[in-house]
Amino acid sequence: EADIYQTPRYLVIGTGKKITLECSQTMGHDKMYWYQQDPGMELHLIHYSYGVNSTEKGDLSSESTVSRIRTEHFPLTLESARPSHTSQYLCASSVGGRTDTQYFGPGTRLTVL
Amino acid sequence: EDQVTQSPEALRLQEGESSSLNCSYTVSGLRGLFWYRQDPGKGPEFLFTLYSAGEEKEKERLKATLTKKESFLHITAPKPEDSATYLCATKEGGSEKLVFGKGTKLTVNP
Repeated sequence: EADIYQTPRYLVIGTGKKITLECSQTMGHDKMYWYQQDPGMELHLIHYSYGVNSTEKGDLSSESTVSRIRTEHFPLTLESARPSHTSQYLCASSVGGRTDTQYFGPGTRLTVL
Repeated sequence: EDQVTQSPEALRLQEGESSSLNCSYTVSGLRGLFWYRQDPGKGPEFLFTLYSAGEEKEKERLKATLTKKESFLHITAPKPEDSATYLCATKEGGSEKLVFGKGTKLTVNP
């Protein structure tokens, strides 16, 4: 089981602010992911990474950006937060291969006023 | 388009009352079907991965099965601590993404 951490757990912020959501994993997994989940709705993939210096956009259009400078770290940044960005953001990682099970962090609940 | 549909949306059981949750999917080239448990305000917790029709996996009171079109999560003699939302997700060959269903919210009353 992966140890994967997200900070902050909760964030309330005003419109126009720049924010970075942190995600770290200690299992040495090459693959990492960011999902967005609204209450009662499905998780949707917004970004993923195969490894260091690799990032790809997911299916759900997002105004956020990500970076992968270190294997264990996969931060997500919103340059200018808007109320439409209010959601739960979930980070996950996987080892790849046939199993490729994704393990999730606890999530960050973001509210933009 | 790949789809994952879970039913029922919500299920209330009495403690000890066994039941099943359904996950039907329309993905081609299935590379895995995943079950997760999600508690309120938390991230999904991995339960099972199934790869091929006929496969079954068990963990405590939970048993997951897979056919070519659907998966079932059987809950035997549930306890109140089994209350959670159970999520089903599929992975298609050649894709990195998991396609999730909306989940089944299970409530087990003492």
